[in-house]
Amino acid sequence: EAQVTQNPRYLITVTGKKLTVTCSQNMNHEYMSWYRQDPGLGLRQIYYSMNVEVTDKGDVPEGYKVSRKEKRNFPLILESPSPNQTSLYFCASRRQGDSYEQYFGPGTRLTVT
Amino acid sequence: GNSVTQMEGPVTLSEEAFLTINCTYTATGYPSLFWYVQYPGEGLQLLLKATKADDKGSNKGFEATYRKETTSFHLEKGSVQVSDSAVYFCALISEGGGNKLTFGTGTQLKVEL
Repeated sequence: EAQVTQNPRYLITVTGKKLTVTCSQNMNHEYMSWYRQDPGLGLRQIYYSMNVEVTDKGDVPEGYKVSRKEKRNFPLILESPSPNQTSLYFCASRRQGDSYEQYFGPGTRLTVT
Repeated sequence: GNSVTQMEGPVTLSEEAFLTINCTYTATGYPSLFWYVQYPGEGLQLLLKATKADDKGSNKGFEATYRKETTSFHLEKGSVQVSDSAVYFCALISEGGGNKLTFGTGTQLKVEL
């Protein structure tokens, strides 16, 4: 089954404690990205990757890091989480090109206290 | 840059009512247009898409027509069901916009018996 998986689905942590949210896709997609969803703001792109070892900033990259060492994986790293990073996070992937469907993971709800 | 504007919600309808959710866009180049749906507690799923002017996307009774002259992509359904209750996102992607999917803020639909 074609899918994007994320782990964990729910995470409560404290300010400053480094964390990683994993994302994996089994569709051999070139393009992967991370979004955060906040009420009234829709989805905003954090980082994206057009292929292995190629990453770039999205609209709201501050406080986040990513890496793309393998085509299937695209982890999101918060080196020193802060309460304003409390949000719902989605990983997504698609084939490269402007008309291809983007597939989303189930989401990770992060709370930083 | 690219942007998408959606009508604010929530939209509350009775079952079997007619639905319209307005979406207008600003884009560089010739975008592809999408409607995504997010059911409670889930990630986003592609509902329908249109890749060129005057194309009509359709799925599960929903339709949207790509209107270049009015830069619009309004979502319609003739008879909604309780199971259509969800958040609907209009989105676009264009090569001129860096191949990034740009979302509207989402419109929550509630359908009551």
